[in-house]
Formats: sequence, C-alpha cells, structure tokens
Amino acid sequence: SQQGEEDPQALSIQEGENATMNCSYKTSINNLQWYRQNSGRGLVHLILIRSNEREKHSGRLRVTLDTSKKSSSLLITASRAADTASYFCATDDGNNRLAFGKGNQVVVIP
Amino acid sequence: GAVVSQHPSWVICKSGTSVKIECRSLDFQATTMFWYRQFPKQSLMLMATSNEGSKATYEQGVEKDKFLINHASLTLSTLTVTSAHPEDSSFYICSARTGQAILATNEKLFFGSGTQLSVL
Repeated sequence: SQQGEEDPQALSIQEGENATMNCSYKTSINNLQWYRQNSGRGLVHLILIRSNEREKHSGRLRVTLDTSKKSSSLLITASRAADTASYFCATDDGNNRLAFGKGNQVVVIP
Repeated sequence: GAVVSQHPSWVICKSGTSVKIECRSLDFQATTMFWYRQFPKQSLMLMATSNEGSKATYEQGVEKDKFLINHASLTLSTLTVTSAHPEDSSFYICSARTGQAILATNEKLFFGSGTQLSVL
C-alpha cells in the first residue's frame, strides 16, 4: 500500500533558487527516504532520515521529519539544471518493504 | 556503491508472448529483491518481494501466474510476464537490498534502470 504521499506539485524554478517539496504518510514508520528519478530511469537514493531524527543534511539537500504530523520535507538549495527530475519519498515501516509516494516533478530552468 | 543491472532496457513484443526481465546485483549479494511497476507520471507500485531460494511474496491484486518471479541466486532475480497483453505495457523496475548487517546499507534500496515493456 502507498503510504508516502507527496503534495502533487510540479515545481518549475530558476537555477539557483531553492526547491521544497513535502510528503505525508499515514502509519508509523521506521525511517523515511527520498529518491530521485530521471525520466525513464531507475531511482537513486538521496537521503534517509530515521523516526527519531528531526532534520538531516546531505550536501545541498535538507530533509526534515515531523512524526507528530506524519510529514517530511525535502529542500534542495541552490538548484541546478541537473536537479531536474522526479522526487519520491518512501516510508519504511520496518517490514522490509518501502511504500512510495506519488512523486514531485521538479524542473530547473537554466 | 552497490550496482543493480536490469535488462533489457526496453522490449516490444506481440500480444500473447512471454517476456523475461533480468535483475542482477553486480557487486553485492541481494538476499531480497523487489519488483515494481510504474505508469507514466505515477508512483511505483510494489508487485512482489522475492527472497533468494524461496517463493516470491506477491502484493494483493498481482497475479502470480502471470508475473513469474524467480530468485535462484543471490545476484539474480527474473520477472517473466507470461502471455503479455497490451494492458501489461508499463515500466518495470527492480530493486535490491543487501542482506549484510551494515544497518545503513541494509535499509536503502538500489534500483535497476528499469525496463519499458510495450505489448502490441
């Protein structure tokens, strides 16, 4: 079943701007992960945040997790044209499966 | 990092034929592999979970006789779409998780590049 559900946004931003996307889920989780998918390709793992963490950074990525609201956000700072992709959150409830959200299409205009 | 190779990248077949898709972990042992289906601009739908040496666990609504999964070794899982029909046309993606006890590595998935199946 699909737990993670991004706000159904299609973001179009200028290079250098920040991109923010959100994800909400419904049940308890072990961790939440963000993945990127370029058109017609597989997914690439970006960052994982555990249920006892509130914020995590990795390069230009910043992820927050609010377990009380069952939501997460992904911020990409100083975006580049190469960041153009679809971004998915996925929740891990500890049962060896990931449930993916609907995805956010991000277009970075050079 | 861990690499998952998926072949073929795309396949076109006639209705009624069977198509086999391979998913290989190249530099690690994948005790668990997952098969997903993705429609255009939509999310990934988990079809089944396969564990090496045992029968696959299918998600509700997925026909196991139509989507045959074999995970005969720690580095190879195959998905065979039997008697394919146009409605089976989709993007199929495999992913793998290592069985190693390194927690940080064990939790994330490594994805193949996907297979676009078009059934005429």
